[in-house]
Amino acid sequence: NAGVTQTPKFRILKIGQSMTLQCAQDMNHNYMYWYRQDPGMGLKLIYYSVGAGITDKGEVPNGYNVSRSTTEDFPLRLELAAPSQTSVYFCASRQGQGSTEAFFGQGTRLTVV
Amino acid sequence: GNSVTQMEGPVTLSEEAFLTINCTYTATGYPSLFWYVQYPGEGLQLLLKATKADDKGSNKGFEATYRKETTSFHLEKGSVQVSDSAVYFCALEDSGTSYGKLTFGQGTILTVHP
Repeated sequence: NAGVTQTPKFRILKIGQSMTLQCAQDMNHNYMYWYRQDPGMGLKLIYYSVGAGITDKGEVPNGYNVSRSTTEDFPLRLELAAPSQTSVYFCASRQGQGSTEAFFGQGTRLTVV
Repeated sequence: GNSVTQMEGPVTLSEEAFLTINCTYTATGYPSLFWYVQYPGEGLQLLLKATKADDKGSNKGFEATYRKETTSFHLEKGSVQVSDSAVYFCALEDSGTSYGKLTFGQGTILTVHP
């Protein structure tokens, strides 16, 4: 049971480059999320999705885009990378809200130089 | 808006010591409360949860009680082990239609020495 799989694990980008962080889950969860984790700051929500074709902004969406064409996949797109986007990115999924557990991927450590 | 505040870290303890990590929150309504743990190089995992006032969540020797009167959800363990070394996050989910979105505290790094 793979759970939530993120790729790549590490990446270095130059300022102005673009990239897509991949996220896939095999638990048939409707809800998926992208968070970023900055040192000493906890996790901040970037975007979320409640099902295929439905996405919405979280707390810190600027500089990012998402799509959700299938239940399994929820890629995060960075356009015109900036040093402020240096962070660790986590994808997560949940069956629903309330007491259900959120399952997290192992994270992608991104450095923009 | 919602917010979660955790005690300042890092926390360093000897094996078998008592652990408390404080967590307080601000939210409207009656949120669900969670503790997540992040071991080195891994994603976050659910440690325990509580969904209403006075509920006690427990798992792997850790406990936390949902205290609405003090808006707190402090994490405790009677005797820590080296394997408990990790980062601990307190989190809340708002009541109502939240779509499962979580608000996290800043995390507390715990290091346990033999």
